[in-house]
Amino acid sequence: IVMTQTPLSSRVTLGQSASISCRSSQSLVHSDGNTYLSWLQQRPGQPPRLLIYKISNRLSGVPDRFSGSGAGTDFTLKISRVEAEDVGIYYCMQGTQFPRTFGGGTKVEIK
Amino acid sequence: EVQVVESGGGLVQPGGSLRLSCEGSGFTFSDHEMNWVRQAPGKGLEWVSHISSSGETKQYADSVKGRFTISRDNAKNLLYLQMNSLKAEDTAVYYCVRDGPILYDSSGYFFLYFDHWGQGTLVTVSS
Repeated sequence: IVMTQTPLSSRVTLGQSASISCRSSQSLVHSDGNTYLSWLQQRPGQPPRLLIYKISNRLSGVPDRFSGSGAGTDFTLKISRVEAEDVGIYYCMQGTQFPRTFGGGTKVEIK
Repeated sequence: EVQVVESGGGLVQPGGSLRLSCEGSGFTFSDHEMNWVRQAPGKGLEWVSHISSSGETKQYADSVKGRFTISRDNAKNLLYLQMNSLKAEDTAVYYCVRDGPILYDSSGYFFLYFDHWGQGTLVTVSS
């Protein structure tokens, strides 16, 4: 499954919103009925960390400024009220089938 | 606190071999499926391999199939990646990544993937 993210980069004013799109080459609905689409954040010099799983569920400790939406093959990560600590690269990832695949990443920077 | 810590990276010549290790702590290692994910310098993420909690089932990316072998020792809380016939394009930071527990919500059960990442270990393949 090919995961395509847009845009490649996004420059955002502090306090404004950023939106990242992720499209899969086929449906991510698993035979168990779940859609295994996750979002990960990689801050500069850090390993990635899981932010959102199953399209829209935030991992414990993830600020509610992060929200995920979508279904089937089209998904969106929205970062509301962007803060300086949100700078980094964001990846979508599908776990519906092997090989697990990632989007190419979206770099979020502050204007 | 859940931790996964990689070791074993380094410089190796093309065609050479290297074995990476990952030690899990702060959780019941034998209950969790595990993965290796790599990131070439300045590039994105690439899933490499997955192993079931018992070690019976293994999956590989096409790019490493036949050259890399994933294994685990649940008695020692260790995950391994044996890398043979290394190529320059295998140069990357290799992350050990845990798959989370089976969880339940209003829709029933589901799997939580990639919930904890190590800091990574750098493998450089160069002459």
